[in-house]
Amino acid sequence: EAEVAQSPRYKITEKSQAVAFWCDPISGHATLYWYRQILGQGPELLVQFQDESVVDDSQLPKDRFSAERLKGVDSTLKIQPAELGDSAMYLCASSFSRVRGGGQFFGPGTRLTVL
Amino acid sequence: GQQLNQSPQSMFIQEGEDVSMNCTSSSIFNTWLWYKQDPGEGPVLLIALYKAGELTSNGRLTAQFGITRKDSFLNISASIPSDVGIYFCAGLNPDYGGSQGNLIFGKGTKLSVKP
Repeated sequence: EAEVAQSPRYKITEKSQAVAFWCDPISGHATLYWYRQILGQGPELLVQFQDESVVDDSQLPKDRFSAERLKGVDSTLKIQPAELGDSAMYLCASSFSRVRGGGQFFGPGTRLTVL
Repeated sequence: GQQLNQSPQSMFIQEGEDVSMNCTSSSIFNTWLWYKQDPGEGPVLLIALYKAGELTSNGRLTAQFGITRKDSFLNISASIPSDVGIYFCAGLNPDYGGSQGNLIFGKGTKLSVKP
C-alpha cells in the first residue's frame, strides 16, 4: 500500500544548530503539506505545496524555517537555527487534490528534540 | 481564526462498550475527516465525509457530517483494546486562495482502557 515516507524518525539537536527533515509523498499526489504537532495538541499547518509551488506558508516562521519541493515530488523542511520551542513532531502529508479534498495521508513523522 | 471544539477530551472504555465523540465549529466546512493517532506515529485517516448529512461507516466506525456543516460525530461500536489512541477530527478549509485545502484539527479525544 502506498505510504508517505519521512526521515529521520527521530532527531536530537542542540539549540542554534540546523536540522532538516525529508518527506516523500504518495506517488501521484500533487499536494504536499508540512505540519507541526506539539504534545497534546492537534497538528498545525506550516506550509502547503501544489506541485513545486508554495501555495500557503502564512504560518511558517520564515526567519528560521524554510521548505522546498524543487521537482514537485519530495520535499525538505529546514530549521536554522533551532530553538528550544521547536521541539515537536513534524508531520508530512499528501493528497491527490487540494480542491476536492480527497483526504490527506500522513507519514510517520519526525520527532525533534532541541536541547 | 477557525477552531474546532472536540469532546470529550478523554474517555475510558471497557471492551465491548460503544464510544461517541464529536466535533463542533463556529464556521462551516465542506469536508470533515476523522483520524486516529497512536503514540509516536502519524495520524491515520479513518473516515472522510464530503456532504452535509452524510453518514459513513468503516467497519465498527460510523461518522456523520452534520446538516449545519458545523459539526461531526464519530461512533465506535463494540470497542476492542486496539481502539485505544487519540482521535482527531479535522475540517477542510473551504476558503479560496492559498489556505484552500488546509486542514484545521481539533485537539483530540484520548481513548484509554478502564483499569
